[in-house]
Amino acid sequence: GAVVSQHPSWVICKSGTSVKIECRSLDFQATTMFWYRQFPKQSLMLMATSNEGSKATYEQGVEKDKFLINHASLTLSTLTVTSAHPEDSSFYICSASRELASTDTQYFGPGTRLTVL
Amino acid sequence: AQSVTQLDSHVSVSEGTPVLLRCNYSSSYSPSLFWYVQHPNKGLQLLLKYTSAATLVKGINGFEAEFKKSETSFHLTKPSAHMSDAAEYFCVLKTSYDKVIFGPGTSLSVIP
Repeated sequence: GAVVSQHPSWVICKSGTSVKIECRSLDFQATTMFWYRQFPKQSLMLMATSNEGSKATYEQGVEKDKFLINHASLTLSTLTVTSAHPEDSSFYICSASRELASTDTQYFGPGTRLTVL
Repeated sequence: AQSVTQLDSHVSVSEGTPVLLRCNYSSSYSPSLFWYVQHPNKGLQLLLKYTSAATLVKGINGFEAEFKKSETSFHLTKPSAHMSDAAEYFCVLKTSYDKVIFGPGTSLSVIP
């Protein structure tokens, strides 16, 4: 149980276009979903946290208008990279938690590799 | 300020020998601590977590970790390394549901 999927697993787009990444909790309801960015050989950097039905909370330095997050239901969150540029190329990973508690486990998706040409 | 330090960016062990991956944290609040493993081209998998219950936590695949408040540490150990343990390991600190800090990671190599 506690499976999280991401779609697409990889995407290549042209500079200036927008890309949407979906994150789904397949067998549980996710009260909270997280979006991370991971550069090669580096750790995960938390971009934002979202709760179903409310606005996402962005980490310092993350542009809200650049990375649009929608948590429309308890099983789906989307990350849209707007007007993508080559520097946005990265590995984007989502995770989901059942509860609003620091003790709750995050279940991670397999990640989406974005390449912007 | 809250932070997580993984003292070794890379650890190399021989198959069958013990594994020790070190993690230290800094937090003003009671922490929840997690160890995750990331295999190449796979999602992160939870190994174990500490949530203020028992200080010695047992996880999957023979891993365990001990929470030591006095040393602000949460080191990950395994008695005998297996080839399949080669991966990237992350220590993670949470002090509230939305405050998540990943350590820089430790790459574990297992030599046959």
